[in-house]
Amino acid sequence: DGGITQSPKYLFRKEGQNVTLSCEQNLNHDAMYWYRQDPGQGLRLIYYSQIVNDFQKGDIAEGYSVSREKKESFPLTVTSAQKNPTAFYLCASRIGNQPQHFGDGTRLSIL
Amino acid sequence: AQSVAQPEDQVNVAEGNPLTVKCTYSVSGNPYLFWYVQYPNRGLQFLLKYITGDNLVKGSYGFEAEFNKSQTSFHLKKPSALVSDSALYFCAVRDLMIKAAGNKLTFGGGTRVLVKP
Repeated sequence: DGGITQSPKYLFRKEGQNVTLSCEQNLNHDAMYWYRQDPGQGLRLIYYSQIVNDFQKGDIAEGYSVSREKKESFPLTVTSAQKNPTAFYLCASRIGNQPQHFGDGTRLSIL
Repeated sequence: AQSVAQPEDQVNVAEGNPLTVKCTYSVSGNPYLFWYVQYPNRGLQFLLKYITGDNLVKGSYGFEAEFNKSQTSFHLKKPSALVSDSALYFCAVRDLMIKAAGNKLTFGGGTRVLVKP
């Protein structure tokens, strides 16, 4: 079955540590997205990529970085510069004008 | 700029009664509208979309939504709610006039639906 796989499901970060969240899709979708979800605030766009080796900042990119070396993969790094990283992170992908398709998320917490 | 408002944080309804979740939007051009549902600790699942055509859109799990251009609304409805419909619902919009890179969506803050037996 095609879909988006996010791993790990739960992740803990120590102070000053960078952590990387994985997002892999086998849908052959061109575009991929990272969102942050906080209670009561809906989803906010962190980064997005329309094609391999290209990505753009979203609304809240500070403290995050991404790469898009392969069509299937769009990992997100939460750096130590992100002072409030505790949130639920969602990855999505899209092809053409179709709706975005979401993974099941990674919940990041601070130790 | 594009924006979405979901005025109700929570909607309570008895099982078997009609369910309505409200959404209003603001765009410069024509809207491309979506409804998604989220269950605890899961991603968003697509329910339905409107881009053009009939103002009443039918989607998954018996849900439908009515596009009203004059009121800039896209309310989600279900004639008879089930306990299993209890979840978090998100409305989203994209402005078709804006050739924004990435087909970015703007999401509402979400409405929690609680269906009581």
